[in-house]
Amino acid sequence: GQSLEQPSEVTAVEGAIVQINCTYQTSGFYGLSWYQQHDGGAPTFLSYNGLDGLEETGRFSSFLSRSDSYGYLLLQELQMKDSASYFCAVRDTGRRALTFGSGTRLQVQP
Amino acid sequence: DTAVSQTPKYLVTQMGNDKSIKCEQNLGHDTMYWYKQDSKKFLKIMFSYNNKELIINETVPNRFSPKSPDKAHLNLHINSLELGDSAVYFCASSPLGGGLGYTFGSGTRLTVV
Repeated sequence: GQSLEQPSEVTAVEGAIVQINCTYQTSGFYGLSWYQQHDGGAPTFLSYNGLDGLEETGRFSSFLSRSDSYGYLLLQELQMKDSASYFCAVRDTGRRALTFGSGTRLQVQP
Repeated sequence: DTAVSQTPKYLVTQMGNDKSIKCEQNLGHDTMYWYKQDSKKFLKIMFSYNNKELIINETVPNRFSPKSPDKAHLNLHINSLELGDSAVYFCASSPLGGGLGYTFGSGTRLTVV
């Protein structure tokens, strides 16, 4: 099966940089994804890493190290609207659906 | 121009009732999913269909039955509702492989009283 671990809560101030880590265990591996979910909203896709390295999309970057079964989401120039839950997710080669981590609640303070 | 739409958005019902949630996507995706999100925000896969064919059926009570009349629709029927079924149910779709990301519907908040 698959399991993912990420911190339950992170707090940061506006304008700062925050990193949300994710470690995973899976039989076979087919990429690490990140999703954002605001309270009362739906998860929305942020990024996907299929290979090792850094992917950058605006203020958000995501990193993957397959040898360490580890990835992170980096949020820069934090804004109040970034306050949300962030989920890492993996899809292994056996299953054909994403398994999500338990989510990290990010609180951005003024 | 809603990409993945599910109805209803809220559902309050009594124990023992039967209810359905409908989902439609206009993205041309091949694969659709039902996820359950509990009160601790844990997202768990329930079912997955690829082009109308069931490909994932997780350990879900038989009271839950998905139905996909065509690749753009995936409905969820729940019989004999129980208190523990209270949760937010999300429909999602993706291209085959899903690497480009899932698109989720806005969710159905089911409350069983």
